[in-house]
Amino acid sequence: ETGVTQTPRHLVMGMTNKKSLKCEQHLGHNAMYWYKQSAKKPLELMFVYSLEERVENNSVPSRFSPECPNSSHLFLHLHTLQPEDSALYLCASSTSGTGDYGYTFGSGTRLTVV
Amino acid sequence: LAKTTQPISMDSYEGQEVNITCSHNNIATNDYITWYQQFPSQGPRFIIQGYKTKVTNEVASLFIPADRKSSTLSLPRVSLSDTAVYYCLVGVSNNAGNMLTFGGGTRLMVKP
Repeated sequence: ETGVTQTPRHLVMGMTNKKSLKCEQHLGHNAMYWYKQSAKKPLELMFVYSLEERVENNSVPSRFSPECPNSSHLFLHLHTLQPEDSALYLCASSTSGTGDYGYTFGSGTRLTVV
Repeated sequence: LAKTTQPISMDSYEGQEVNITCSHNNIATNDYITWYQQFPSQGPRFIIQGYKTKVTNEVASLFIPADRKSSTLSLPRVSLSDTAVYYCLVGVSNNAGNMLTFGGGTRLMVKP
C-alpha cells in the first residue's frame, strides 16, 4: 500500500450511467491530483487541487467533474462517458510548496465504458 | 513546463547496470528532476530526485551534469523485476501544487 487508496479498482459502466471514483490519502499531503492513462499514451494531468482549491483543469470535458471536500479525499464524478474515456485513472497526492516534489500515486481505477 | 525526451525502450540482461538518459534542454532554474517507475496497471512509484551533481539511494543513482540539460538514471545490477516503464520529469513545487508533466517514458525490458 502506498498510502493513497483508490476505489473501486475496476469499474464497467454504460454511456448513460453516473458513477464516482474515490481517492483517499492519510499522508498529511495538501495537494491531490487526477491523472488519466490511456493505452500506449503518457499520463495526462486532469485536475489539481492544492489546499482544497482547484488550481488546474487541463481542458477536461465537463462529463468529468472533480470534487475535493477536504485535503484527504478526492472524487471524480463521471456521467455520460464515451468509450474513448476507457482508461486507467490515477490519483496522486503531494506536499506542495515545501520543496518536496514527490508524488505518491494510488493503484488506479481501471475504467471501461461500454 | 520543461519538456523531457527519453528513449522509447531499452533492453538489458539480469545483473547488468542500466543507464537511462533524459534530455531537458529547457529546464528552469527552480526545476527539480524526478524519476518514477511504473509497472502495468499500477500507479507510478517515486525512485529518485535531484537538482544537480549526483544523488544516490538504495535503489538507484541520478547523475546531473553542471548545465542540468540532461540527467541519467543508473540502475545497478538489474533483475527481471526491474522490467517497467521509467519516467523522467522536471518541474517545480509551489503552493499551487507540483506541476510535473509526464512524457512517454522508457520501457525497460530485462531479460534472463
